[in-house]
Amino acid sequence: SAVISQKPSRDICQRGTSLTIQCQVDSQVTMMFWYRQQPGQSLTLIATANQGSEATYESGFVIDKFPISRPNLTFSTLTVSNMSPEDSSIYLCSVGPFSYEQYFGPGTRLTVT
Amino acid sequence: GQQVMQIPQYQHVQEGEDFTTYCNSSTTLSNIQWYKQRPGGHPVFLIQLVKSGEVKKQKRLTFQFGEAKKNSSLHITATQTTDVGTYFCAGQVDGTASKLTFGTGTRLQVTL
Repeated sequence: SAVISQKPSRDICQRGTSLTIQCQVDSQVTMMFWYRQQPGQSLTLIATANQGSEATYESGFVIDKFPISRPNLTFSTLTVSNMSPEDSSIYLCSVGPFSYEQYFGPGTRLTVT
Repeated sequence: GQQVMQIPQYQHVQEGEDFTTYCNSSTTLSNIQWYKQRPGGHPVFLIQLVKSGEVKKQKRLTFQFGEAKKNSSLHITATQTTDVGTYFCAGQVDGTASKLTFGTGTRLQVTL
């Protein structure tokens, strides 16, 4: 298995600002994923982050709004830019070290006022 | 795009009753996974099904993958309060590099 930590665990931000969420894994993994989960809803994949290449974004998500960095095989960041109240959500990172099952971090609960 | 729907959205059972959630994909899947998310927690992997018609059991949980590899079910026998949470199926399609599409989820509430 993989142990994943995320920072911050929660934050309250003003609209128009940006927040960077960090995801740290205790082992080297090729693929890292970023999801958004609105309260009481399912998980929606934002992007897949591979080390050494640009992230691959899903339909409805763009790099200018959600820039992602993947500097090495154990770390990634997701920035939520120019936030609006609609960005209030839980953001989760996950890894797939064994190419099928995914392990999730504890999530970052973001509230935009 | 690919859609994965689950029914029911919510079920409330008495402890000891059985529970089933059904998962349907709009496209044929290479495999299906099931995750459990406790209230306030993150999704935790339960199992993966790969073969058409596959059935797997984990103690009181029984997982099935449909013959057409477009649907799946999770059945819990004799529910316990520890079963409370939201159950998600998640499908992978061939050639999508481990990308998962999560189902809409079924929230299970169990009371004594």
